[in-house]
Amino acid sequence: NAGVTQTPKFQVLKTGQSMTLQCAQDMNHNSMYWYRQDPGMGLRLIYYSASEGTTDKGEVPNGYNVSRLNKREFSLRLESAAPSQTSVYFCASSDGVFSNQPQHFGDGTRLSIL
Amino acid sequence: EDQVTQSPEALRLQEGESSSLNCSYTVSGLRGLFWYRQDPGKGPEFLFTLYSAGEEKEKERLKATLTKKESFLHITAPKPEDSATYLCAPAQGGKLIFGQGTELSVKP
Repeated sequence: NAGVTQTPKFQVLKTGQSMTLQCAQDMNHNSMYWYRQDPGMGLRLIYYSASEGTTDKGEVPNGYNVSRLNKREFSLRLESAAPSQTSVYFCASSDGVFSNQPQHFGDGTRLSIL
Repeated sequence: EDQVTQSPEALRLQEGESSSLNCSYTVSGLRGLFWYRQDPGKGPEFLFTLYSAGEEKEKERLKATLTKKESFLHITAPKPEDSATYLCAPAQGGKLIFGQGTELSVKP
């Protein structure tokens, strides 16, 4: 079972460039999430989508946009990358935001911005 | 302000040496607490959910417990393959608030 698949696995960008991180899940989950993980800090929620057609800001949304393309796919876009956005980005999915079911994570995209 | 603190930040054990990891939290409207394991270069892997004070869950050498302000992850007779970072995450309104993790290293 693939679970949650993220592409690309690694990316290097120059300041000001844009890019989209892709995420797809095959567990028929309703909710999807984007986190960033920085050294010495816990995972921080960037955006989430409670269900297809909805998106909401998390703790650190500035500089990012998201699209819930369909039930399976949730993308994260950096319009003008900044060095402060160098991080590891994780996508996750769950049965529902308020279902108290566990979130299942992909293996991350490691993003460096020079 | 909601806060989650895990201690210690790093723990080195010899194989077979039991110990505990702590997760202290101040989260309003707690709706469960999740434990995850994260291996280097991988995403977090779900271990347990605890919903109420006094609840315990076990899986192989791991046992998680919950009080009103803390959760503990007890590791009994650990093996080198238990080496990983362990994350706790109280749930508030459906969203998880992650601690910074405890990096566990078990030497043979």
